[in-house]
Amino acid sequence: ETGVTQTPRHLVMGMTNKKSLKCEQHLGHNAMYWYKQSAKKPLELMFVYSLEERVENNSVPSRFSPECPNSSHLFLHLHTLQPEDSALYLCASSQGKGRGTDTQYFGPGTRLTVL
Amino acid sequence: QKEVEQNSGPLSVPEGAIASLNCTYSDRGSQSFFWYRQYSGKSPELIMFIYSNGDKEDGRFTAQLNKASQYVSLLIRDSQPSDSATYLCAVIRTNFGNEKLTFGTGTRLTIIP
Repeated sequence: ETGVTQTPRHLVMGMTNKKSLKCEQHLGHNAMYWYKQSAKKPLELMFVYSLEERVENNSVPSRFSPECPNSSHLFLHLHTLQPEDSALYLCASSQGKGRGTDTQYFGPGTRLTVL
Repeated sequence: QKEVEQNSGPLSVPEGAIASLNCTYSDRGSQSFFWYRQYSGKSPELIMFIYSNGDKEDGRFTAQLNKASQYVSLLIRDSQPSDSATYLCAVIRTNFGNEKLTFGTGTRLTIIP
């Protein structure tokens, strides 16, 4: 596979469930990102990992827990979510050299519905 | 004030005409500027980026940047129905080696055959 892949593509879960989203990048990049996209709102940056170290957490609730075991894989662990967490969750990766010209490439996203 | 502002549209343009999409940003420290296209139900895909004042052309697309006025625009020449999508403007400010990409809400463009 090439580029950035995400699984699952669709997920329906109850508020008491625990699930995980997976992202994998095949671009040799050093930085990976989780974004949340809700209807009529801008893309919201949730987490950034650079060289497997978390560098930014934009005040995301603790019911979202990221994990980056290596530079190619990124997970988002979900537990006790709320219906308002229903959204499209996008993963992205970039070379992560910190020069301000870093281009991010997005995966296809996971459409999450919390019942 | 929003960090990145775009007119949400919808913007309707006849096929073959020039579509003009605009974006303003509030942080003067912003360094790089990106245009993404997002089809309904799909993830964003990069069209082009620009970081120097002036114009940058790539095929039918031209990005224009004016840092003094803090705006960036995207022109699409010879618009095609396949250009109908939401266009996201995004800016990067590098802070101590960490890039933060901030998006606008997007402009929905419809090309009318």
